[in-house]
Amino acid sequence: QVQLVESGGGVVQPGRSLRLSCAASGFSFSSYGIHWVRQAPGKGLEWVAVISYDGINKNYADSVKGRFTISRDNSKNTLYLQMNSLRAEDTAVYFCAKDYAYQLLPNLIDYWGQGTLVTVSS
Amino acid sequence: AIQMTQSPSSLSASVGDRVTITCRASQGVRNDLGWYQQKPGKAPKLLIYAASSLQSGVPSRFSGSGSGTDFTLTISSLQPEDFATYYCLQDYNYPWTFGQGTKVEIK
Repeated sequence: QVQLVESGGGVVQPGRSLRLSCAASGFSFSSYGIHWVRQAPGKGLEWVAVISYDGINKNYADSVKGRFTISRDNSKNTLYLQMNSLRAEDTAVYFCAKDYAYQLLPNLIDYWGQGTLVTVSS
Repeated sequence: AIQMTQSPSSLSASVGDRVTITCRASQGVRNDLGWYQQKPGKAPKLLIYAASSLQSGVPSRFSGSGSGTDFTLTISSLQPEDFATYYCLQDYNYPWTFGQGTKVEIK
């Protein structure tokens, strides 16, 4: 079955960097787009970024554009999120999530990981 | 960015009740809308995609309707396991945007 396991979360000071990883299994990772979605404590869901199955197309939320970079290594079945210039408002659980579309541009999130908590605090 | 406005923000209902949640987009999104259920401390789960298509394995008491700017999620007969928070998500254009959520609580 589809499994997505996030890692790399933790406590980081404002202005510093952190890299999240998402290890995928149970499906053909290189054939599907993957998203990052976050949820601040006690708040709703916020879509963050997506990368196409081949790594060519990437899109970001305005709130993270220019600071966060999504990437993937299809040889390792792993997704990444490089987060730079972190702010207190980036504090959230970060979920990676699989797209439904097979070898197409992303169009629907169908499976989610359990998330990793990032806390930005001095 | 397209804004998605859900209503109500929360509701109290009893087991067996019919529950309706609405989601309004600030501009047309065709039928590029999904509904997700999230329970505390858990990842969201896809219920409905393309506005009205039921995801495999989801009980038939869940249904979705709408197109363009106005969408509805209906639970025909609320069950104990349905108490959760529900979100709509537009995947029409980037950045994708969620509604603020509707918390369904036990009356």
